[in-house]
Amino acid sequence: QQKVQQSPESLSVPEGGMASLNCTSSDRNFQYFWWYRQHSGEGPKALMSIFSDGDKKEGRFTAHLNKASLHVSLHIRDSQPSDSALYFCAATITGNTGKLIFGLGTTLQVQP
Amino acid sequence: GGIITQTPKFLIGQEGQKLTLKCQQNFNHDTMYWYRQDSGKGLRLIYYSITENDLQKGDLSEGYDASREKKSSFSLTVTSAQKNEMAVFLCASSIGQFAETLYFGSGTRLTVL
Repeated sequence: QQKVQQSPESLSVPEGGMASLNCTSSDRNFQYFWWYRQHSGEGPKALMSIFSDGDKKEGRFTAHLNKASLHVSLHIRDSQPSDSALYFCAATITGNTGKLIFGLGTTLQVQP
Repeated sequence: GGIITQTPKFLIGQEGQKLTLKCQQNFNHDTMYWYRQDSGKGLRLIYYSITENDLQKGDLSEGYDASREKKSSFSLTVTSAQKNEMAVFLCASSIGQFAETLYFGSGTRLTVL
């Protein structure tokens, strides 16, 4: 069973709209979470990390972590066509990035 | 800023062949990683190295060898390529190994005929 599960598999939003991506861990011990974004033909790039309960905002991107429910989300406001990409959630138990587990990803398409 | 350079970008091999992928980083990062990306399967860790000459196995190390002879370079060898194998191999680096951001290269796409 995938330890880090992402939903939806794919998502389409209009330009200027809000995109919401979800990630759930099946392992209660996961404590450290990252969001990565991968454009076609490139390697993934880190968007943001979140280690504490609550919200973390960076520009148009807001991550939310609820450790009790093992749920982390990423919200992208004012979505742009350049946000179209594959988004990965990743998590570790101890913070050791050698033990980072990636989800299968959510493909976001922003329609102009 | 720094950059991670992976060579070659495309690699075509024959079944049973030994194939080597190379990765260089100029971030001066201590930790380097090799991931495999298959369509629909996310990223899976093959090997990582926390310093020169160190090697740590990931979940997918069987069928692969790795080598970290210098801080700036990390190579991966597919010991016996499998027919119909197709995947992207991604190299990454981070400052340390705890709660650090990973910086990825653009990948080597492997096709085995």
